[in-house]
Amino acid sequence: ETGVTQSPTHLIKTRGQQVTLRCSSQSGHNTVSWYQQALGQGPQFIFQYYREEENGRGNFPPRFSGLQFPNYSSELNVNALELDDSALYLCASRDQGASSYNEQFFGPGTRLTVL
Amino acid sequence: DQQVKQNSPSLSVQEGRISILNCDYTNSMFDYFLWYKKYPAEGPTFLISISSIKDKNEDGRFTVFLNKSAKHLSLHIVPSQPGDSAVYFCAARRDFGNEKLTFGTGTRLTIIP
Repeated sequence: ETGVTQSPTHLIKTRGQQVTLRCSSQSGHNTVSWYQQALGQGPQFIFQYYREEENGRGNFPPRFSGLQFPNYSSELNVNALELDDSALYLCASRDQGASSYNEQFFGPGTRLTVL
Repeated sequence: DQQVKQNSPSLSVQEGRISILNCDYTNSMFDYFLWYKKYPAEGPTFLISISSIKDKNEDGRFTVFLNKSAKHLSLHIVPSQPGDSAVYFCAARRDFGNEKLTFGTGTRLTIIP
């Protein structure tokens, strides 16, 4: 059973640019959530996707958007990057249809630096 | 508004002794609490959880205690081992099955051999 993978590992962008981060969910998991972890802080919920539709959103502006694909892989897109977007971006997956509730499994994250 | 707080940024404990990590929350709607452990360059790993209908949950060396009236939970690790050195995050959730986790800022635990 493969775990949650994310790409790229590190990324450097300049202010105003756009970025796409990718996540492959753990096999069999149909729900994916994205979190932003700023330096010295805990992860903050961005949004969640279930069956290719956004199903819950945290306090993030619309320039943060996402996609979930039929194979349950996912993308996080951020437009008009700002310096404060520099953070570790984590994706987490879960099988929402499992007979017993299980916890989210996190990937290793993508470290985004905005200059 | 920090709804989940971990007031100790760091903690050092001698190997073999008990490690106690604390967490406070303000939102009374939270009804499920989790602890995650994070090593450098890895994502958080689920450790243990507790529902608000319980006051204790135990899994091997790890025990989580919940005091609802005080809105406080703690994680006990006994005995502490060098491999336990990591950052520990407390997280909370409203409603069983709700995906959104609200995390604390983490406590860096260092086990001294």
